[in-house]
Amino acid sequence: SQQGEEDPQALSIQEGENATMNCSYKTSINNLQWYRQNSGRGLVHLILIRSNEREKHSGRLRVTLDTSKKSSSLLITASRAADTASYFCATDANQAGTALIFGKGTTLSVSS
Amino acid sequence: GAGVSQSPSNKVTEKGKDVELRCDPISGHTALYWYRQSLGQGLEFLIYFQGNSAPDKSGLPSDRFSAERTGGSVSTLTIQRTQQEDSAVYLCASRPQGQETQYFGPGTRLLVL
Repeated sequence: SQQGEEDPQALSIQEGENATMNCSYKTSINNLQWYRQNSGRGLVHLILIRSNEREKHSGRLRVTLDTSKKSSSLLITASRAADTASYFCATDANQAGTALIFGKGTTLSVSS
Repeated sequence: GAGVSQSPSNKVTEKGKDVELRCDPISGHTALYWYRQSLGQGLEFLIYFQGNSAPDKSGLPSDRFSAERTGGSVSTLTIQRTQQEDSAVYLCASRPQGQETQYFGPGTRLLVL
């Protein structure tokens, strides 16, 4: 069963603009991760935020987590054409080390 | 260093045939996961290995699906009597002890005709 649900399903922006993607989940978690997928192949880990953290930064990425609302957001600032990909949130359903539960993803298209 | 590798990259088979998909995890990673991704969908968990044992097989969709891992390294996912609905990208990931991040391979794209 799917845990995370991303919103929006698709997002189209111009280079230089910011992109915000949201994720909601259902159960308690130890952490939430964001992954990126190019062309329907392997996923690349972007960032992990723990349940006791509220915000985390990595380069142009900013992730927030609101455990009371069971939601997270991923902000990509100053987007580039190379950011075009699908982005997925994944949670561990409060069992560290077990399988991740992924949402259906947000497809981001950045045009130059 | 080398990442997770999977073979074959693409596999086309006829309905009813058996297929074997292989995953070579990153050396030293104790945990290994298989996921399936159908067109335009998120990832669906199939099975998880810790070492050579599989504490969680709950995601396997039917008894046509099985997987094994030997020597705490290579894993093989076998699909018997393939059906058209088995068409998907099968992704393998490995994870080192003590970390939460999973490292994904490029996947095997399976098409059942």
